[in-house]
Amino acid sequence: GAGVSQSPSNKVTEKGKDVELRCDPISGHTALYWYRQSLGQGLEFLIYFQGNSAPDKSGLPSDRFSAERTGGSVSTLTIQRTQQEDSAVYLCASSSSLAGLPFAKNIQYFGAGTRLSVL
Amino acid sequence: KNQVEQSPQSLIILEGKNCTLQCNYTVSPFSNLRWYKQDTGRGPVSLTIMTFSENTKSNGRYTATLDADTKQSSLHITASQLSDSASYICVVSRSTGNQFYFGTGTSLTVIP
Repeated sequence: GAGVSQSPSNKVTEKGKDVELRCDPISGHTALYWYRQSLGQGLEFLIYFQGNSAPDKSGLPSDRFSAERTGGSVSTLTIQRTQQEDSAVYLCASSSSLAGLPFAKNIQYFGAGTRLSVL
Repeated sequence: KNQVEQSPQSLIILEGKNCTLQCNYTVSPFSNLRWYKQDTGRGPVSLTIMTFSENTKSNGRYTATLDADTKQSSLHITASQLSDSASYICVVSRSTGNQFYFGTGTSLTVIP
């Protein structure tokens, strides 16, 4: 696609429910990142996928968070038993080590994010 | 401890004026430093990326500097425009592992 696409753009859920957030990276980008931005906080790294390598999950805040990347493309971030402190904007980014116009190499291109509100 | 600190936290300037945003970091071993612009409700957009050997890099009216010895970077905006109103985020990555360290950003407001 033309850019990184995330869905839904907004999600309101009740405490204790599970949610799934989707990210469609730029076609051909092998690297995919998930971040979250809580109110008043900076971007927080969550997880990183690179090709077929094992993902770097070191940023996931708890075992309620998990992410998958199917077929090396689309990624889903799942939050189980959501808590109010999970409310944040969840951002996805993709990048490539190869230059492919109009996208520069090794630059992360971000989606518009999913705003998650846990009531 | 690996940290990134940005200052000021917020800034208001008149249209047409210049401004400089600061980023200090303690991340080690250093790999690169990125400046992002993030409009409200939008994802961050990369402005510049600088490696250890680069001191200055420009992107239009944006000029970033890096002093790897003092671990400081600045983002200078020339002849500010109303559209420059946004959060500017400094992100530093290590040369080992895939960790990125983020500042909390500087909120810039340009007023007419």
